[in-house]
Amino acid sequence: GNSVTQMEGPVTLSEEAFLTINCTYTATGYPSLFWYVQYPGEGLQLLLKATKADDKGSNKGFEATYRKETTSFHLEKGSVQVSDSAVYFCALRQGTDKLIFGTGTRLQVFP
Amino acid sequence: KAGVTQTPRYLIKTRGQQVTLSCSPISGHRSVSWYQQTPGQGLQFLFEYFSETQRNKGNFPGRFSGRQFSNSRSEMNVSTLELGDSALYLCASSSDGDNYGYTFGSGTRLTVV
Repeated sequence: GNSVTQMEGPVTLSEEAFLTINCTYTATGYPSLFWYVQYPGEGLQLLLKATKADDKGSNKGFEATYRKETTSFHLEKGSVQVSDSAVYFCALRQGTDKLIFGTGTRLQVFP
Repeated sequence: KAGVTQTPRYLIKTRGQQVTLSCSPISGHRSVSWYQQTPGQGLQFLFEYFSETQRNKGNFPGRFSGRQFSNSRSEMNVSTLELGDSALYLCASSSDGDNYGYTFGSGTRLTVV
């Protein structure tokens, strides 16, 4: 079945460092791909999405490109801030099937 | 546009009791999904309702049930609570089709003592 694999955390960075969180997926066909973020004590918020190969999703300085050839959707940000500290979830959805999540990656940014 | 509203935010129940959680989706969304989030198991899918019918179901015991009303509001019920049911329960609504992600509520934090 379909699945999502994320890099283990926590990812610990200094403010203004470059961020990459790896995400790969397994799916039959061409799912839509998403990144969600969860701040402490809150629900999940949609950060960005891409619905077809080579699409780039972007929001709040974060970017991810849908790579069909490597079945990847890595999250990147050029300069992280302390306020970006949160848990990031990669997810996919295909048709009317459920949204399938990775295990989440905790990001900690220090001043 | 109002977001997804979950009530209550916090709940403490005793083992063996039952509990009902409520979710009001974004206006116009006909799909409502429920997830359980725990530190050990991460996000686990419970079920999805679409137009009052259960469309997808996760691997939870029959103690976990849900329903959806004609106005798309949804409830989930857990009977005979166990300590392991302590979790954050998240509801999400969606327009149909895979181009749409889910919009999540803030969750209900259930503690079973």
